[in-house]
Amino acid sequence: DARVTQTPRHKVTEMGQEVTMRCQPILGHNTVFWYRQTMMQGLELLAYFRNRAPLDDSGMPKDRFSAEMPDATLATLKIQPSEPRDSAVYFCASGLLGQGMNTEAFFGQGTRLTVV
Amino acid sequence: SQQGEEDPQALSIQEGENATMNCSYKTSINNLQWYRQNSGRGLVHLILIRSNEREKHSGRLRVTLDTSKKSSSLLITASRAADTASYFCATGRLTGGGNKLTFGTGTQLKVEL
Repeated sequence: DARVTQTPRHKVTEMGQEVTMRCQPILGHNTVFWYRQTMMQGLELLAYFRNRAPLDDSGMPKDRFSAEMPDATLATLKIQPSEPRDSAVYFCASGLLGQGMNTEAFFGQGTRLTVV
Repeated sequence: SQQGEEDPQALSIQEGENATMNCSYKTSINNLQWYRQNSGRGLVHLILIRSNEREKHSGRLRVTLDTSKKSSSLLITASRAADTASYFCATGRLTGGGNKLTFGTGTQLKVEL
């Protein structure tokens, strides 16, 4: 049963601490998305990758957020230093962009981050 | 920033009735997708319609797309209590070698017994 796996599922941290969220995309998928969901802003696209290369990270606060794909089986989203306004649910999704150039995204269960 | 806005924000209906949700977007797209989210869970893909298609069906779901009006609708027929969830439209734009997926604000659907 192929699925996107995110860890941790929940994270509570103090303001100023570094937070790293991990995502294992579905094997064989070549596109990875990171979204942030809050009640106020809804689902915001932070960054997305194709074949491990970042295509667009314009939605991500560059001063504190960074997203990488060290290899095809791991995507990371890091916040340093974290702030209370970063509290949200962070979703990773993966997809397969093929010749049809239309991609559905498969979502993980999310990481619920609380910064106190 | 949001690409799409959904209407209504919330919808409450009785089981067996049809539910219609609308999505409007701002820029040109290559495809439009609908997703469902149960409380506290990840989103699940429901259906994808390409920009050159006008209507698509999948089980009890019917999606329409009007690119001239930059709008789409999702119809769920014969709704069930289990359809209670939030529904999101997402626009897909081919850019920079990828398919950028941007989500709307969502419609909260409640189906009552």
